[in-house]
Amino acid sequence: DQQVKQNSPSLSVQEGRISILNCDYTNSMFDYFLWYKKYPAEGPTFLISISSIKDKNEDGRFTVFLNKSAKHLSLHIVPSQPGDSAVYFCAATGNTPLVFGKGTRLSVIA
Amino acid sequence: KAGVTQTPRYLIKTRGQQVTLSCSPISGHRSVSWYQQTPGQGLQFLFEYFSETQRNKGNFPGRFSGRQFSNSRSEMNVSTLELGDSALYLCASSLQAPGGLEKLFFGSGTQLSVL
Repeated sequence: DQQVKQNSPSLSVQEGRISILNCDYTNSMFDYFLWYKKYPAEGPTFLISISSIKDKNEDGRFTVFLNKSAKHLSLHIVPSQPGDSAVYFCAATGNTPLVFGKGTRLSVIA
Repeated sequence: KAGVTQTPRYLIKTRGQQVTLSCSPISGHRSVSWYQQTPGQGLQFLFEYFSETQRNKGNFPGRFSGRQFSNSRSEMNVSTLELGDSALYLCASSLQAPGGLEKLFFGSGTQLSVL
């Protein structure tokens, strides 16, 4: 049973536009959510996180929104750049090992 | 500061063999976690070690095992390899036990191919 779901395997966005990556979770005990980015032949790298006591966290071009009632979070990238092309993993924890989604491959087209 | 180092980067084995993968965490990090990544399955948690003790274990068969040494370096072993074990095996380290504010730092992984 998947506790963290990323329902879009891939997403294509024009350079300069907004990229929105979505993630749903089922476990109410999760209280901390993270996004990791992965380039081919490299390990995932931490991008941004949000605690369940917040509904928004911003870091430069990256913003994560959390809707606890809907058990949904999203990552917004504005403006999108070709270097953002990568696989993005949503992850969650409730003082447990991180549970990852299957990832969304983002392609930013110049 | 050196990152997480995993060796070897690539490995080819045949069914029935066993394999040992190695991970050196970032200096000072005491927790090491292992994940398996397969196409379409994302990252699936294998196990986590903290100060030489296995604290958490994922839903994998007993053929998958690991250990952590006193210098925090970790190894994972897979015995009686099956074709389905072909995957990227990722090691991650953190200062304390993972969870909450504790970020994981990943190595580049070991790509295992089972023929």
